[in-house]
Amino acid sequence: AQTVTQSQPEMSVQEAETVTLSCTYDTSENNYYLFWYKQPPSRQMILVIRQEAYKQQNATENRFSVNFQKAAKSFSLKISDSQLGDTAMYFCAFMKYSGGGADGLTFGKGTHLIIQP
Amino acid sequence: GAVVSQHPSRVICKSGTSVKIECRSLDFQATTMFWYRQFPKKSLMLMATSNEGSKATYEQGVEKDKFLINHASLTLSTLTVTSAHPEDSSFYICSARDRVNSPLHFGNGTRLTVT
Repeated sequence: AQTVTQSQPEMSVQEAETVTLSCTYDTSENNYYLFWYKQPPSRQMILVIRQEAYKQQNATENRFSVNFQKAAKSFSLKISDSQLGDTAMYFCAFMKYSGGGADGLTFGKGTHLIIQP
Repeated sequence: GAVVSQHPSRVICKSGTSVKIECRSLDFQATTMFWYRQFPKKSLMLMATSNEGSKATYEQGVEKDKFLINHASLTLSTLTVTSAHPEDSSFYICSARDRVNSPLHFGNGTRLTVT
């Protein structure tokens, strides 16, 4: 079984600052995917960024980037130039590779990120 | 992009009644859909995996007879909360993927309140 740990229940930064959310995971799988999802007050789950474990290069999506350390089983999210709209719950999630596509996601407990004006 | 529609968004029911929640993939076929439950300020917990044309796979601790899942077509899965009680009040979210190993696409969720 996989576990995902987010050790920061809440974080608060000023607008335009850079913030890093931490995530560690435990698995015996070698092929897997990692995700960061954002859940604003509307509670809609929005995919922020995705990382394939077989790729050494860290994924980036505009202001969002990850620091993926496979050996350390660490997957942190960096948000640059933070904006008020970034205020949300952020969930780190794990999915093992499955040829049949029948595997769901295992989520961490989440980090509540607050961007202060 | 792939869209998952969930209905209703909110439902209030009396204790002892049953409630059905629908999850539809609008522009893709989903042989597998996933049902999650989320308590306030908590994470998403996988309840069950819904498989088209076969029985759902439930996670440990989830009552199969209370949470009935039907996946009768490639675009529709339903979750029925039977004989609902106040402790079943929660936020239920369905999800699906449009192709193998792609990220999950989530519905907007259903807030269930049992009085």
